[in-house]
Amino acid sequence: SQKIEQNSEALNIQEGKTATLTCNYTNYSPAYLQWYRQDPGRGPVFLLLIRENEKEKRKERLKVTFDTTLKQSLFHITASQPADSATYLCALYTGGFKTIFGAGTRLFVKA
Amino acid sequence: GAVVSQHPSRVICKSGTSVKIECRSLDFQATTMFWYRQFPKKSLMLMATSNEGSKATYEQGVEKDKFLINHASLTLSTLTVTSAHPEDSSFYICSAHTTSGTSGRAGETQYFGPGTRLLVL
Repeated sequence: SQKIEQNSEALNIQEGKTATLTCNYTNYSPAYLQWYRQDPGRGPVFLLLIRENEKEKRKERLKVTFDTTLKQSLFHITASQPADSATYLCALYTGGFKTIFGAGTRLFVKA
Repeated sequence: GAVVSQHPSRVICKSGTSVKIECRSLDFQATTMFWYRQFPKKSLMLMATSNEGSKATYEQGVEKDKFLINHASLTLSTLTVTSAHPEDSSFYICSAHTTSGTSGRAGETQYFGPGTRLLVL
């Protein structure tokens, strides 16, 4: 069956450290993968998109890697800040304008 | 740019009534909008894809007569929950594809509305 898995346990890190979130998927061949941020009671906000032929993408303190052999994406936030605390969603584009979302990983950055 | 609004942000209604939720793209035209439902600490579940000027495409298990979708213009889609019941209580989120996303290619990025919290008593 097709699955997208993100660590359901919350990730707690200290301010200034690098947060690394994992997204694993099975039985998909996505053309690209996206990461979104979602705050409580709000809609998701787009952060980064990485295509199947790209290994890494960066945007300011954010870095995403995409390994289509391992079927895994890693999302890194460097020099993390308390304001980075949120739920981060991984999403796969499966064609026909359809995107499938993971359940998200909750990140807490402590000052 | 690429702002999507939803109205209302919260609604409480009695069982058996109908509720309409509006989704608007404020500064771009959206030929395709999506409606999602999200339960606490769960993933977004796609309910339907809404195309301007045509009938919505519903995902398996979503009752089209229960969740009426209308996409009358390139900037407005509405979701009407008909004869609402307590089990319809949820967080409903819409999103829109732009014709030119931040990546430079059409349709790759979804811009989400802020969501509507529906509580059916």
